[in-house]
Formats: sequence, C-alpha cells, structure tokens
Amino acid sequence: EVQLVESGGGLVQPGESLRLSCAASGFIFSSPWMSWVRQVPGKGLEWVANINGDGSYKNYVDSAKGRFSISRDNAKNSLYLQMNSLRVEDTAVYYCTRGGSWPSDWGQGTLVTVSS
Amino acid sequence: EIVLTQSPATLSLSPGERATLSCRASQSVNNYLIWYQQKPGQSPRLLIYDTSNRATDIPARFSGSGSGTDFTLTISSLEPEDFAVYYCQHRSNWPYTFGQGTKLEIK
Repeated sequence: EVQLVESGGGLVQPGESLRLSCAASGFIFSSPWMSWVRQVPGKGLEWVANINGDGSYKNYVDSAKGRFSISRDNAKNSLYLQMNSLRVEDTAVYYCTRGGSWPSDWGQGTLVTVSS
Repeated sequence: EIVLTQSPATLSLSPGERATLSCRASQSVNNYLIWYQQKPGQSPRLLIYDTSNRATDIPARFSGSGSGTDFTLTISSLEPEDFAVYYCQHRSNWPYTFGQGTKLEIK
C-alpha cells in the first residue's frame, strides 16, 4: 500500500522559512516523479513544484520560483520542500503526491499558516 | 498559463440521476485532461487521466470524454458517496493548472 506522510507544517511569520518533508513507502521511491500541490482551506488546488526520479529536473509555479526548492533523498524515501521568504498568500495545506503530471496518490497534507 | 473553467459551480442532483460536469480550457490541452474527486476533510482522489482513462478501482459509472478545449466528466447514476467536489487539471504544458471545482450536492 502506498503511503505518503507529510510533516513540517506550522505557523510562521511573513518572511520566515519552513521545510516540509514527505516520508514515502509502498513503492519504489526512486522511480516516479513526485510533486507538491497546495490548497488554501476551502479553496481550489495549485501545483507548486515537481521533481523527476533522480532529482535532475524540477519545475516550479511562478509564485514559488526563487523562494521554494523541491528536493528528494531516494536513500531515505523522502521528498522535501524548502520554503523561504514565506508570504501570507502561501497559507495552505501542502500535499505530497506521487506522480509528476497526474498524481495517483496523495498524502493527508500538512497545514502551513503564514501570519503576523 | 492555461486557464481551466469548470461549470456549473454547483450541481444539485438526486441519487440515481446522471451528472454531467464540464471543464473548458483557454487553449487546447490535447487529451491531457485529468479529473479528481475530493470529499470534505480528505485529499483529492484521482478519477480519470488523459480524458477518458479510469484510474485504478474507479467504478465504471465514472466516464470522461472530450478533446481540445472542451471536456466532460459523466457519472451515469449517482451513488450517495459521489457527492463531493470535482476538479479538472491539465498536464499539457507547465504550469499544470486546476479548474476551480464543481460541487456536486444532494438535491
């Protein structure tokens, strides 16, 4: 059974940093693209970033470019999202997903709240 | 960036009825259109990929169709568990974007 467990969310002030982690199990982690997708509570979905199996290709939504960095450690079966210079509009539930273009599996999400 | 517009925003139907949800793209996405279902307090669930391919364990009452810029998700006969929010998403080019969602509610 595929499991994706996010952690690292919390309450931070504007301008601060946060690192999200996703622990994966139940599949060969080094193979598929992985992604982070976010959702403002009660609102729609936004694709934040994705990364290929060996970490050599990455894509970011414009609002995340220069501030967020997606990475993975295949030895630890883990996906990460380093978020710097956080803004109020980054407040959302962040989902770790398996798949680079149509995620077949989603974690339960971790809430990031950016507020002063 | 490709904008996906879903209609209607809310659809009120009864169990057993047929549901037709629409997703229109601002430019052609070829057949690279995906549908998800999301229930309150849950993560999205993949239903259909590349217009018409059902994901694993998705019941046959869910079907997708369309091409170019106009796509449809059809639920042939609504079950009580089908009432949820449905999102479309394209993977034609980066950035991949989602529609704003259609809420399917019990009439």
